[in-house]
Amino acid sequence: AQTVTQSQPEMSVQEAETVTLSCTYDTSESDYYLFWYKQPPSRQMILVIRQEAYKQQNATENRFSVNFQKAAKSFSLKISDSQLGDAAMYFCAYGNAGGTSYGKLTFGQGTILTVHP
Amino acid sequence: DSGVTQTPKHLITATGQRVTLRCSPRSGDLSVYWYQQSLDQGLQFLIQYYNGEERAKGNILERFSAQQFPDLHSELNLSSLELGDSALYFCASSGGSGRETQYFGPGTRLLVL
Repeated sequence: AQTVTQSQPEMSVQEAETVTLSCTYDTSESDYYLFWYKQPPSRQMILVIRQEAYKQQNATENRFSVNFQKAAKSFSLKISDSQLGDAAMYFCAYGNAGGTSYGKLTFGQGTILTVHP
Repeated sequence: DSGVTQTPKHLITATGQRVTLRCSPRSGDLSVYWYQQSLDQGLQFLIQYYNGEERAKGNILERFSAQQFPDLHSELNLSSLELGDSALYFCASSGGSGRETQYFGPGTRLLVL
């Protein structure tokens, strides 16, 4: 079974600064996909970014980018120019790309990000 | 707004009761997924339906069941409720059977007293 680990229960950053959230995962599969989701106080799960395991290029979405290290099974999220609205719980998630659990997402424990003005 | 709707938003009930949570996927999406978010277990995958058929099963209790109807909406039935079933239940949808990005609804907050 796949596992996802977020080793930072809490992180903080000053507004306009850069912060990196860590995520590692364990899998024996070669094909899969990874996500970062954001959960603000409203509890809504909002997609931040997606990465395909077969792509070497790191995904980028505006101020959000990832550092995907497949061999190390590491998938970190970098938030540049942090804004107050970035404050939320961030979840790393692993998606199965085949087998009987095709489509299932496995989530990490989450990292609470605080942004200081 | 993800386009996924869930009703009700909040539900308060007593132990031993049965409740039904409803989910309408985004227009055109064929897959529906159910997840449970609790303080002690985190976010856990429960079950997936694709075009009316069960596709994948996770840590879903036998007291829980789900189905997807011909109009593609889905219902999650929770019976013989226990205090530990109190959680936020999310529905997500995606276009196909698995690889597509899942978009989450706002969740149903269940409190069992």
